[in-house]
Amino acid sequence: EVQLVESGGGLVQPGGSLRLSCAASGFTVSSNYMSWVRQAPGKGLEWVSVIYSGGSTYYADSVKGRFTISRDNSKNTLYLQMNSLRAEDTAVYYCASSKRPDAFDIWGQGTMVTVSS
Amino acid sequence: NFMLTQPHSVSESPGKTVTISCTRSSGSIASNYVQWYQQRPGSAPTTVIYEDNQRPSGVPDRFSGSIDSSSNSASLTISGLKTEDEADYYCQSYDSSIWVFGGGTKLTVL
Repeated sequence: EVQLVESGGGLVQPGGSLRLSCAASGFTVSSNYMSWVRQAPGKGLEWVSVIYSGGSTYYADSVKGRFTISRDNSKNTLYLQMNSLRAEDTAVYYCASSKRPDAFDIWGQGTMVTVSS
Repeated sequence: NFMLTQPHSVSESPGKTVTISCTRSSGSIASNYVQWYQQRPGSAPTTVIYEDNQRPSGVPDRFSGSIDSSSNSASLTISGLKTEDEADYYCQSYDSSIWVFGGGTKLTVL
């Protein structure tokens, strides 16, 4: 069964760091386009970052320079390292995969990140 | 960068047909595919339409997608509405390494 399972969310103070993980099963992370999409409480979806199968990475302007997307092929896992966190980063973070670069086919269940003092 | 604008909410009765629009602010709607996602409360999004008008396996043919270059918009049409279709719907497209979602439309089936 194709599945994505996120973990690593939690409560963190402003300025702090957190690393999210997304474990994939049923397919190979390195062969797909892997993304992070977030949703602030009561708000819409916002694309955060993507890593291409070839390794290229892209970021939304709102997180550029603070967040880093990566993957561990041996663990078939996607990561999002989040530094210098702000209150406005509070959201449910979803990982998503696709065989195409322009869409999101498979979604995880999400992990909640709360940035608050 | 461009924006995708959707109506905040729509409502319709069971058995009827509803159309949700998604207007692109700049650049051609036809230059990049449009996807549509359904999100029920407390759940992750799922794809109902990809590549403008393609349905993933398992999505009923009551769901259809189209684009209209004259209005620079995409549309999601749901026919034979069921109460289970009540959800938030998001359009999404891409251009120059930027992935953009519409603001979402809350569909109420009453």
